[in-house]
Amino acid sequence: GEDVEQSLFLSVREGDSSVINCTYTDSSSTYLYWYKQEPGAGLQLLTYIFSNMDMKQDQRLTVLLNKKDKHLSLRIADTQTGDSAIYFCAERDGANNLFFGTGTRLTVIP
Amino acid sequence: GAVVSQHPSRVICKSGTSVKIECRSLDFQATTMFWYRQFPKQSLMLMATSNEGSKATYEQGVEKDKFLINHASLTLSTLTVTSAHPEDSSFYICSARGLYGYTFGSGTRLTVV
Repeated sequence: GEDVEQSLFLSVREGDSSVINCTYTDSSSTYLYWYKQEPGAGLQLLTYIFSNMDMKQDQRLTVLLNKKDKHLSLRIADTQTGDSAIYFCAERDGANNLFFGTGTRLTVIP
Repeated sequence: GAVVSQHPSRVICKSGTSVKIECRSLDFQATTMFWYRQFPKQSLMLMATSNEGSKATYEQGVEKDKFLINHASLTLSTLTVTSAHPEDSSFYICSARGLYGYTFGSGTRLTVV
């Protein structure tokens, strides 16, 4: 499968912004996704971006896509303790397969 | 919205027994379902892709005789872990692909003792 990479850990203080980064290798990506996994739970789709877009904003979430560099980021504004979770990026290739990153564990410090 | 129900959420079984995990799409038809396993360093590994009415396609390194996948209808796929061993203990998640994208189940925590 394709390579999708993320850093494993991120810590931020409550109220600050969090930026979670993701890189991928597939040139034929159609959609890119961000999922949230809370302890013991499955994956919750947070947001997604079509590959011909470079930005998408949804309330506190901002997704930035640099297609040339194959770099995706998720910014969470005013991070709260309830945002502590593991965040997975994923990319859908031209054959409709979905490839996940390793996940970034976000810890919000009160 | 699209909902996928996965059961059981937790199961503990003895070594050597088999465990079946069900994944149901409740309000849409899923022509394709996926099974993932989550490893301790949190990465998700795709185990297999199943299409309704046909044999599952397994990823390299996944034993098809150990992880039996059945996708008999457009709303149900099952994963059976046969002759489970402690190293099979993990978090298993299914996903169903419908018209509007992927929907994930809530996962199953399998502990083999």
